[in-house]
Amino acid sequence: AQSVTQLGSHVSVSEGALVLLRCNYSSSVPPYLFWYVQYPNQGLQLLLKYTSAATLVKGINDFEAEFKKSETSFHLTKPSAHMSDAAEYFCAVSERGGADGLTFGKGTHLIIQP
Amino acid sequence: NAGVTQTPKFQVLKTGQSMTLQCAQDMNHNSMYWYRQDPGMGLRLIYYSASEGTTDKGEVPNGYNVSRLNKREFSLRLESAAPSQTSVYFCASSEARTTEAFFGQGTRLTVV
Repeated sequence: AQSVTQLGSHVSVSEGALVLLRCNYSSSVPPYLFWYVQYPNQGLQLLLKYTSAATLVKGINDFEAEFKKSETSFHLTKPSAHMSDAAEYFCAVSERGGADGLTFGKGTHLIIQP
Repeated sequence: NAGVTQTPKFQVLKTGQSMTLQCAQDMNHNSMYWYRQDPGMGLRLIYYSASEGTTDKGEVPNGYNVSRLNKREFSLRLESAAPSQTSVYFCASSEARTTEAFFGQGTRLTVV
């Protein structure tokens, strides 16, 4: 069975600082991995996805994530935080590659300090 | 391009009442999904429809029914609402079961 663990329900960083949101997964087969962002009172928007083509994945708004098989991790980073990055971030795993096999983490609330 | 549209955006029900949440997508996607989001729980799949005319149970189907009315529309029905069904409900669609999901903006449901 697949599962996702997001470390830290809340992460606070200063504007301009590095953003690091942690995600570890378990999967019995090579996984497909996703990061979604949810802005207040909105739906989920896909930030980026890993589908085995390249271990470093670039997404929208300068976010990127690196797939590390040996660590079963898919951490999300952004070099310089912006106030508009304040949102809830969800890591998700799918063994079948798409939406119906998605298992979500519990989410990390990113707070940006001015 | 509207994407995935959910109605209503907010709803308050009394225990025992019924209602239907509507979802429509204009991306010509084959697969559609209903999730519920609860604090500290992430999103959990209620039902999905891999293609028009088919529906299947997800992780938490009890207390819900669905109808895939046509390729565009996928509705979620609560026959007898319970306080445990207070949640934010998201509809999503994908081109196929193996491609990424696109989400609507959610329906915030409160059952009192």
